[in-house]
Amino acid sequence: EVQLVESGGGLVQPGGSLRLSCAASGFTFSTYWMSWVRQAPGKGLEWVAKIKEDGSEKYYVDSVTGRFTVSRDNGKNSLYLQMNSLRAEDTAVYYCAREVRSPKYWGQGTLVTVSS
Amino acid sequence: DIVMTQSPLSLPVTLGQPASISCRSSQSLVETDGNTYLNWFHQRPGQSPRRLIYKVSNRDSGVPDRFSGSASGNEFTLKISRVEAEDVGVYYCMQGTRWPPTFGQGTKVEIK
Repeated sequence: EVQLVESGGGLVQPGGSLRLSCAASGFTFSTYWMSWVRQAPGKGLEWVAKIKEDGSEKYYVDSVTGRFTVSRDNGKNSLYLQMNSLRAEDTAVYYCAREVRSPKYWGQGTLVTVSS
Repeated sequence: DIVMTQSPLSLPVTLGQPASISCRSSQSLVETDGNTYLNWFHQRPGQSPRRLIYKVSNRDSGVPDRFSGSASGNEFTLKISRVEAEDVGVYYCMQGTRWPPTFGQGTKVEIK
């Protein structure tokens, strides 16, 4: 059974940093692109970043470029999102998802709240 | 970015009656590999999105056959043949053809 479990969310002050993790199981992690998608409270869904199977290619949505870094450790079946210079508008539930074009599997999400 | 425009944004439905949600893309979603990466998701409050339909009309395993997807040019439609109580929630279309993937605004389905 495919499982994606996010962790690392919490309350952080504007300008602060946070690192999210996503633990994957039930599939061969190293053979899939992986993504981060977020959803602000009461709002729609927004793609954040994607990373190639071997980590050699990374892409970001404009609003997080230069502040967020996606990475992965295929030996640990884990996906990460390092978030720096956080802003109030980054407040959201962050989901990891397997694949990009037609993601079937999603984690349960982890809530990031940016507030003073 | 490709803009995905859904309508309606709110859809009150009667149990047992059909329902239809439209989604229009601002650009063609046909990829060079010939596939059209248009997906439909259903999300209940407090839950992750659940994929219902992928590549326009392919229903995921476990998704009731009352759900169907179709396309005409850049217009995509999700149809529910007979709405059941468990179908309430928000439905999103999503394009995965061009980076970044983008979602429609969501259509909230509720029972009258």
